[in-house]
Amino acid sequence: AQRVTQPEKLLSVFKGAPVELKCNYSYSGSPELFWYVQYSRQRLQLLLRHISRESIKGFTADLNKGETSFHLKKPFAQEEDSAMYYCALSGPNTDKLIFGTGTRLQVFP
Amino acid sequence: GAGVSQSPSNKVTEKGKDVELRCDPISGHTALYWYRQSLGQGLEFLIYFQGNSAPDKSGLPSDRFSAERTGGSVSTLTIQRTQQEDSAVYLCASRRTSGSGGTDTQYFGPGTRLTVL
Repeated sequence: AQRVTQPEKLLSVFKGAPVELKCNYSYSGSPELFWYVQYSRQRLQLLLRHISRESIKGFTADLNKGETSFHLKKPFAQEEDSAMYYCALSGPNTDKLIFGTGTRLQVFP
Repeated sequence: GAGVSQSPSNKVTEKGKDVELRCDPISGHTALYWYRQSLGQGLEFLIYFQGNSAPDKSGLPSDRFSAERTGGSVSTLTIQRTQQEDSAVYLCASRRTSGSGGTDTQYFGPGTRLTVL
């Protein structure tokens, strides 16, 4: 079955602390993995995707096929990073997105 | 340029009534998606249109849900005989091209918050 699991509903850290938002997936084949972010009162937007291998706003995510994980990391969290983060996947023959339940990141000053 | 727009932004209806939710994708985008975000749940895929191909309806939760896309542009999601469990935020997204491997992405609208009393 295709599934994305984000085990943490809420992650709270202080400014400057490292952050890791966990994402595990279940998929038969080679999916494409994404992180989407939704800031307060804004629409959902793409943060990064694994094929791009890029760092956006200081965030990175490495696809670990052995552990079927795609954790999102940032070495020093900022208050403006506070938002809802969703991990998602799509298959090679369809680009409908399967989302996790999301993790709310709170960064305190 | 203009992003994906959705209307209405909020809809309150009574149980048993039909509702129509509208999505205006970004001009020129061939792929259009509907998702649902329920309280306590993640984002759930509903239906996907790609050009003139038959839509992928695999995510529609029941036959009370239907959607159409006229002229390859505007889409309407219809929910018949609404139930309280239909209360959710309904999101629309569009993408320039379909298929994986491309550099384009899905752009989301602001959503329609549906409340069924």
